[in-house]
Amino acid sequence: DAKTTQPTSMDCAEGRAANLPCNHSTISGNEYVYWYRQIHSQGPQYIIHGLKNNETNEMASLIITEDRKSSTLILPHATLRDTAVYYCIVRGLGTDKLIFGTGTRLQVFP
Amino acid sequence: DSGVTQTPKHLITATGQRVTLRCSPRSGDLSVYWYQQSLDQGLQFLIHYYNGEERAKGNILERFSAQQFPDLHSELNLSSLELGDSALYFCASSVSFGQGVMNTEAFFGQGTRLTVV
Repeated sequence: DAKTTQPTSMDCAEGRAANLPCNHSTISGNEYVYWYRQIHSQGPQYIIHGLKNNETNEMASLIITEDRKSSTLILPHATLRDTAVYYCIVRGLGTDKLIFGTGTRLQVFP
Repeated sequence: DSGVTQTPKHLITATGQRVTLRCSPRSGDLSVYWYQQSLDQGLQFLIHYYNGEERAKGNILERFSAQQFPDLHSELNLSSLELGDSALYFCASSVSFGQGVMNTEAFFGQGTRLTVV
């Protein structure tokens, strides 16, 4: 599975959009980008995933660059409850396991 | 609520002892994964079972073992416990596995916090 690089930490004001970047320059054609988050020692929570098209669901949007070497997770209106560690994971089709990196610690402040 | 149930939520035991952690996957999920999260480390993949068969191993110690039963629940057995085994242990489940199958998300339980004293 391709390696990912994320900033260690980020801050965001409540109500503003949180844009979390992820670099995955060695991603291959059949590998998906997944985002999970972990709120203070709770079980990781699935957010969104995509292959090459931008994706949106009720939680977030995922923007993947055309060359697929990087992506951005967007939380459109961050709340205090979005404070968490966000993990960007690249996972191949048919690959069973998720390999977590160190993630980005997002702090949403009032 | 992810639908994945882990028991017990907390466990305190002494060094040298053996414990069993239990995981009930979401209804219909055939895959079960185990992860370890220590205070100073991230989420470490331990092992994956699919429909009762071991599919992948990660950084799992020889003192640790797991199995998945016919009813699809899974148990992680930790023996000869050491202080360094103190951690959160997470179980996750997902529907599918295998080449050609659309990737699906994994759902995590709330974990078992193991403290070895």
